[in-house]
Amino acid sequence: DAGVTQSPTHLIKTRGQQVTLRCSPKSGHDTVSWYQQALGQGPQFIFQYYEEEERQRGNFPDRFSGHQFPNYSSELNVNALLLGDSALYLCASSSQQGSQPQHFGDGTRLSIL
Amino acid sequence: GIQVEQSPPDLILQEGANSTLRCNFSDSVNNLQWFHQNPWGQLINLFYIPSGTKQNGRLSATTVATERYSLLYISSSQTTDSGVYFCAVRNTGGFKTIFGAGTRLFVKA
Repeated sequence: DAGVTQSPTHLIKTRGQQVTLRCSPKSGHDTVSWYQQALGQGPQFIFQYYEEEERQRGNFPDRFSGHQFPNYSSELNVNALLLGDSALYLCASSSQQGSQPQHFGDGTRLSIL
Repeated sequence: GIQVEQSPPDLILQEGANSTLRCNFSDSVNNLQWFHQNPWGQLINLFYIPSGTKQNGRLSATTVATERYSLLYISSSQTTDSGVYFCAVRNTGGFKTIFGAGTRLFVKA
């Protein structure tokens, strides 16, 4: 039973570029959340997707957008990259059936030069 | 929004010692998890514990939802317990999960 998988594991971009990160949820999960973790800090909630729609959003600018596909996988897109976007990006999945825990992927480490 | 405070921020233990980590939250929650983040950045699920007490080997956790706190107990600590421990909560009726700032644990051999 595969857990949450994220790709790529590492990525280097330059300022102003755009990036797409991908996430496949754990089998049986239908909800995907994205988090940004800067060095030395706790993860910060970006947004959550359920039934292919953004259900709630954290304090992130519109440069951060996402998508959820019919198979429940998800993408995080970041436009006009800034140096401050350098971070570990984590994807978590969960099930809407009852009150369920989140399971996290290993993350994508994004570096902006 | 809901606030999450973890204490202590840093902890150094001798191998074999016991410790208690605390998580205080400012509002009612329907979801609380404890995680261990290893040096490679992986977030490992320790407990899903919106209320009550659970145990898993040397680790146990207790959440008193009515008093808005949770405790994580580590007994007979090992060097592999080193890393950052996070408490994460979700407001009742919400979908946003808020993480505390974490407790950085170092266990010396």
